[in-house]
Amino acid sequence: AQKITQTQPGMFVQEKEAVTLDCTYDTSDPSYGLFWYKQPSSGEMIFLIYQGSYDQQNATEGRYSLNFQKARKSANLVISASQLGDSAMYFCAMRELESGGYNKLIFGAGTRLAVHP
Amino acid sequence: DTGVSQNPRHKITKRGQNVTFRCDPISEHNRLYWYRQTLGQGPEFLTYFQNEAQLEKSRLLSDRFSAERPKGSFSTLEIQRTEQGDSAMYLCASSRAPGDSPLHFGNGTRLTVT
Repeated sequence: AQKITQTQPGMFVQEKEAVTLDCTYDTSDPSYGLFWYKQPSSGEMIFLIYQGSYDQQNATEGRYSLNFQKARKSANLVISASQLGDSAMYFCAMRELESGGYNKLIFGAGTRLAVHP
Repeated sequence: DTGVSQNPRHKITKRGQNVTFRCDPISEHNRLYWYRQTLGQGPEFLTYFQNEAQLEKSRLLSDRFSAERPKGSFSTLEIQRTEQGDSAMYLCASSRAPGDSPLHFGNGTRLTVT
């Protein structure tokens, strides 16, 4: 069965520093996709970044980058130059691309990030 | 792109009552999903629609839960005979065709059953 594990319940970072949020996954399928979402206190899930299992390069989106290590089954999110507005819950999610052709995502338990001034 | 809209934002109800939530997806998205999120956990998949067809239902969706998407546009999620264990955030999301298309989530409806 597919599983997403986020081992850090909470993380602290100083403003302007970089932070890495850990995510490991388990799947037997060779084709899958990995997503990161941000959930501020308002409750909305905000899409940040996507990595396909066959992508050769690590995904980047502005200050967000995904450290994808396929052999280790890890997909860590790196946030560079942290800002106070980055304080939120962060969820790692996985989709198996054979799942009927739609995006049924399995989410981890999340990591709460606090950015200190 | 006006985003996914959910109503109401909050609902407080007494145990045993029925509740209905509404979701308006992004207009050009034909895929619609319902998720449930309890405190301290990630969202859990409930059900999926492609246009008006409900193609998958999670085992989490007991027979007290029913979802519809009558014209392939907005969707409703009804919970009958609510129980305290139904208290959660109910999230709706929509997406385009498969592949690397991300899910776009609404702000959710927070249900409290007293």
